Amino acid sequence: NAGVTQTPKFRVLKTGQSMTLLCAQDMNHEYMYWYRQDPGMGLRLIHYSVGEGTTAKGEVPDGYNVSRLKKQNFLLGLESAAPSQTSVYFCASQSMGRGRTGELFFGEGSRLTVL
Amino acid sequence: DAKTTQPPSMDCAEGRAANLPCNHSTISGNEYVYWYRQIHSQGPQYIIHGLKNNETNEMASLIITEDRKSSTLILPHATLRDTAVYYCIVRGGGRGSTLGRLYFGRGTQLTVWP
Repeated sequence: NAGVTQTPKFRVLKTGQSMTLLCAQDMNHEYMYWYRQDPGMGLRLIHYSVGEGTTAKGEVPDGYNVSRLKKQNFLLGLESAAPSQTSVYFCASQSMGRGRTGELFFGEGSRLTVL
Repeated sequence: DAKTTQPPSMDCAEGRAANLPCNHSTISGNEYVYWYRQIHSQGPQYIIHGLKNNETNEMASLIITEDRKSSTLILPHATLRDTAVYYCIVRGGGRGSTLGRLYFGRGTQLTVWP
């Protein structure tokens, strides 16, 4: 059981390039999240999804887009990367079904550097 | 969701109990207290959560004050592998709550020394 898998794990981009981070979960969870974490900081929520075909903005959505075409996948896109988007990105999934704890399951992170 | 306040750092001797405090004075009636930890930039890991009763699992115990304005995470016998950043989060329960606004803050850096 893989849990939450993020790809790629490392990426270096030049300013203005675009890229997509993929998050896949095999736990049939309804909710999925994208966070970013900068050095010495906690996690900040970028976007989230409460189900297939739905997305919503979090704390820091500017410069990012997301899509949830399939329940198991949540994609985070950077259309025109900026150095300020250098960060570690974490994806998480969550089940809110009856009897569940509502805990978040996190991926191992994707380390993005924008030059 | 209510914000939380945690000390930035704490340390503990290996084998001793680690008691990590968290203040959440603006917590409302249906908000749960969750604890996560993050070991060396890995993805955060769920530890425990509670509403108003004290809770215990294989990892830790959670003590919530009667007025619910603060809580303490207890690691009964800390080991070197417990060195991590510990996050206290308050979150509403059930569908339609502010699930998308989980606030992790900076947490408490716990260092367990030999």
